[in-house]
Amino acid sequence: QVQLVQSGAEVKKPGSSVKVSCRASGGSLSSYAISWVRQAPGQGLEWMGGIIPIFTSSDYAQKFHGRVTITADESTNIVYLDLSSLRSEDTAVYYCARGRLAPVYSAFDIWGQGTMVTVSS
Amino acid sequence: AFQLTQSPSSLSASVGDRVTITCRASHGISSALAWYQQKPGKPPKLLIYDASNLESGVPSRFSGSGFGTDFTLTISSLQPEDFAAYYCQQFNRYPYTFGQGTKLEIK
Repeated sequence: QVQLVQSGAEVKKPGSSVKVSCRASGGSLSSYAISWVRQAPGQGLEWMGGIIPIFTSSDYAQKFHGRVTITADESTNIVYLDLSSLRSEDTAVYYCARGRLAPVYSAFDIWGQGTMVTVSS
Repeated sequence: AFQLTQSPSSLSASVGDRVTITCRASHGISSALAWYQQKPGKPPKLLIYDASNLESGVPSRFSGSGFGTDFTLTISSLQPEDFAAYYCQQFNRYPYTFGQGTKLEIK
């Protein structure tokens, strides 16, 4: 059974960048759409963007264009989220999630455990 | 701009009650809708995909229906473990938006 394991919590200064990783254990990510979803404290879920590693291209929500980069390393089965120009409003739990159908974006059947990113001066 | 509107935002109910949560899309999305349950401190869990298909392992008291713009999630007989937050999400067009969520609380 595939599991998604994310990197640990981060504390960052405003204006800096953060890189969060999502590693698949028990299976390959290559042909699946992997998305990043964030949740600010006490708030709802927000889709940020995603990647289908075998197609190499990434897709982003307009809101994050220019600040977010999603990449994949097929050799290590890891997907990365890079978020730059951090501000306090980026404080949130960041989740990676796998679409249930390969190789298209579809309902997320497997989720990582979440990574808390705190942006504070 | 595309909107996905979920209602109600909160709901109080008792064990054994039948509850319905709705999700309305501003434009037709065929059946490209999923429902998730989320408990505090945990990632969401997939309940329903393609509007009406029950994810493997999810109890049959959960059901989904709808097509186009109007969708519902129904819990036929609430159990204590069902008190949680619920979200819909559409996969028809970018960005793959979520509804605002429904917090289901014990009455």
